[in-house]
Amino acid sequence: AQSVTQLDSHVSVSEGTPVLLRCNYSSSYSPSLFWYVQHPNKGLQLLLKYTSAATLVKGINGFEAEFKKSETSFHLTKPSAHMSDAAEYFCVVSEKGPRGSTLGRLYFGRGTQLTVWP
Amino acid sequence: KAGVTQTPRYLIKTRGQQVTLSCSPISGHRSVSWYQQTPGQGLQFLFEYFSETQRNKGNFPGRFSGRQFSNSRSEMNVSTLELGDSALYLCASSSALTGGETQYFGPGTRLLVL
Repeated sequence: AQSVTQLDSHVSVSEGTPVLLRCNYSSSYSPSLFWYVQHPNKGLQLLLKYTSAATLVKGINGFEAEFKKSETSFHLTKPSAHMSDAAEYFCVVSEKGPRGSTLGRLYFGRGTQLTVWP
Repeated sequence: KAGVTQTPRYLIKTRGQQVTLSCSPISGHRSVSWYQQTPGQGLQFLFEYFSETQRNKGNFPGRFSGRQFSNSRSEMNVSTLELGDSALYLCASSSALTGGETQYFGPGTRLLVL
């Protein structure tokens, strides 16, 4: 079974400082992992995805995430926060069948609200 | 290429009524998934359609149903609305050509049940 745990419900940083949003996952099969961002009153925007290629994944807006199988983690980082990064971030794992087939279902973490102070 | 569109964007209904929400996927995408987002439960999977067939279903009561048309547009219906159905309903589309797992979301329909 798949599940995701986001370790912090709220993270606050100052503009220009690094961002770290933590995520641990559980998956019966080789996972596909994603980070999405949701700005207020908006839908979900894909930031980046890991699908068993390089373990360090680069996404949009300067974000990147590292897949660590031994730690079952997929933490999201950004070297320097910007005011426009303030939003809710979701770590997501995709459900797969026994043969690795996609089953069309995503499992979401509870989200991390990122606040960026000027 | 246009993104996923959802209509209506906002809806107010009363308990006991029914509601139909619509989702148009990205052109060429044949899979559509639906999710419910609430402050208490977070984002939960409702169901997924591919080529007019429901392939996967979440743990929601039978009041929640959906369908997909031959042009891949999808609708979800909620009958006998309850206060707890107030939520943001998101649909997402994906394409087998781009890996199938990556889902692109629409802006959502915000439903308020009074």
